[in-house]
Amino acid sequence: GAVVSQHPSWVICKSGTSVKIECRSLDFQATTMFWYRQFPKQSLMLMATSNEGSKATYEQGVEKDKFLINHASLTLSTLTVTSAHPEDSSFYICSARGTGDTGELFFGEGSRLTVL
Amino acid sequence: GQNIDQPTEMTATEGAIVQINCTYQTSGFNGLFWYQQHAGEAPTFLSYNVLDGLEEKGRFSSFLSRSKGYSYLLLKELQMKDSASYLCAVMDSNYQLIWGAGTKLIIKP
Repeated sequence: GAVVSQHPSWVICKSGTSVKIECRSLDFQATTMFWYRQFPKQSLMLMATSNEGSKATYEQGVEKDKFLINHASLTLSTLTVTSAHPEDSSFYICSARGTGDTGELFFGEGSRLTVL
Repeated sequence: GQNIDQPTEMTATEGAIVQINCTYQTSGFNGLFWYQQHAGEAPTFLSYNVLDGLEEKGRFSSFLSRSKGYSYLLLKELQMKDSASYLCAVMDSNYQLIWGAGTKLIIKP
């Protein structure tokens, strides 16, 4: 199946700093990628849909100025958490839809962010 | 509104069979997915149903009834490694995935 790689897997930062998370589709081109956030013992929550060459589409309640998304190429999308605060600590996961007919999503490994 | 319901937690015994149910109400339907997620890891794809009926894949099977807005994931010959959360997700008319909260499956020896 298709491979999506996410980096970094773990990041610890101080409050007020910015953190960038990368999501790459390694063996296919992804015009659309999705960014999720998952708090402990809860399901995935879609934050935004990242579209190559255009602005991301954010879900209601997600601050676009705080969670900057850049889909620079067909294989790379980045999520930058700006001025991070402890409440931003979470598991962030990206995914991309494969090229098959099922619309199956392939997920990155996830990035666990801890803001001190 | 759109809604996906699945049990919060289930417990089963190693070697047994367990069925995890999922009911949904969405604006349109373009398929139902089951994903497995181990703690601290990203979800991995298990199955996709878009037509009514049973899809079998090894120890795992998934069933769909579109008229009832219902699906189940059947796990046979349970192994300890099957302890995980199982997420039901429906793709709506806009091809957006609507996620259930997940069912935590606990396997006991």
